[in-house]
Amino acid sequence: SQQGEEDPQALSIQEGENATMNCSYKTSINNLQWYRQNSGRGLVHLILIRSNEREKHSGRLRVTLDTSKKSSSLLITASRAADTASYFCATAPNSGGSNYKLTFGKGTLLTVNP
Amino acid sequence: NAGVTQTPKFQVLKTGQSMTLQCAQDMNHEYMSWYRQDPGMGLRLIHYSVGAGITDQGEVPNGYNVSRSTTEDFPLRLLSAAPSQTSVYFCASGRGLNTEAFFGQGTRLTVV
Repeated sequence: SQQGEEDPQALSIQEGENATMNCSYKTSINNLQWYRQNSGRGLVHLILIRSNEREKHSGRLRVTLDTSKKSSSLLITASRAADTASYFCATAPNSGGSNYKLTFGKGTLLTVNP
Repeated sequence: NAGVTQTPKFQVLKTGQSMTLQCAQDMNHEYMSWYRQDPGMGLRLIHYSVGAGITDQGEVPNGYNVSRSTTEDFPLRLLSAAPSQTSVYFCASGRGLNTEAFFGQGTRLTVV
């Protein structure tokens, strides 16, 4: 079963604009992670937010986590054409959880037009 | 550092054939996992290992076997390939709680 569900499924923006993607999940988590996947490639880790954190920043990325609503958002500011990729949220379970039992959402396909 | 290396990158199998997808990591990570990615489905966990000699099933284990005889290697075996196993397979490794997972580049498998 899919734990995370990203929204929207696809997003198309112009270079320089901000992109916001949302993720909802169903069960209690230890942490939530965001990954990027370029077409035909492996996944690259972007950022990890623990269940006791509410917001985290890394460069142009800002992640929020609301455990009461079981949701997270990923904001990419000042987007670039190179940000074009699929973005996935993944949750690590609270019960004996670690990064070896991640549950992924279906992803958001972001297209940044030059 | 090579990171997580998967071989082969592409493979075509006939229904009923068996094969092994190889995964090796050079980061001395305890944890390793196998996922499959199907269109519109995201990644789903097949099997995982928390250390040499220790493996367990994930969400979609049927039709697959794994073993972990060394820290570095975590091969995935397809016992009798079926068209439903056509997918992209990813191997990942990592350390402990609240750390990132490192992914290989994937193996694109087609079963005809």
